[in-house]
Amino acid sequence: GQQLNQSPQSMFIQEGEDVSMNCTSSSIFNTWLWYKQDPGEGPVLLIALYKAGELTSNGRLTAQFGITRKDSFLNISASIPSDVGIYFCAGQPFYGGSQGNLIFGKGTKLSVKP
Amino acid sequence: ETGVTQTPRHLVMGMTNKKSLKCEQHLGHNAMYWYKQSAKKPLELMFVYNFKEQTENNSVPSRFSPECPNSSHLFLHLHTLQPEDSALYLCASSQDPGTKETQYFGPGTRLLVL
Repeated sequence: GQQLNQSPQSMFIQEGEDVSMNCTSSSIFNTWLWYKQDPGEGPVLLIALYKAGELTSNGRLTAQFGITRKDSFLNISASIPSDVGIYFCAGQPFYGGSQGNLIFGKGTKLSVKP
Repeated sequence: ETGVTQTPRHLVMGMTNKKSLKCEQHLGHNAMYWYKQSAKKPLELMFVYNFKEQTENNSVPSRFSPECPNSSHLFLHLHTLQPEDSALYLCASSQDPGTKETQYFGPGTRLLVL
């Protein structure tokens, strides 16, 4: 089946640093989503992207829908300790006229050192 | 608080037990989902319900039995599980089948099978 390659698997950074992570696929997606999961909680939607080339921000977070529709990037600027968690990308394929189910990456675990 | 609640939050059961997981959404959504989250693996979609009807079963073993009595409630009945079924089980909902991408997740049930 379709897979998403999310990298890096983990990051350990200093507070105040910028963070960048990405997801790539061999297939085209119609929608890209970024979720964050805190320990003991379910994923929470951060940003949704619907068009190739789209660049969307949510506070210090910025995500882009790759122009090839096969990748997406998430950037976090000036990281703070509460940014700690696991970030997941998810893509939604389009199959012959209908939306497919979400396909998730394995996640990027972010640790922030004060 | 995403508007999706799950109970219990933690569950330990033996392989011969029967238990049920409950999910309730307070968002007025019509589509509900069960996912399995295992360490270092992408979220795995198990079941999809649209307007109380099951529309997808992703080759899930019959020891997992879902039930959707109405659009607000979703259950996952468990019986004769295996240790490898230990995982975080997440429930999600979305407005309707056409908006699968905007899924809201519950906090999950952490299941341990002994």
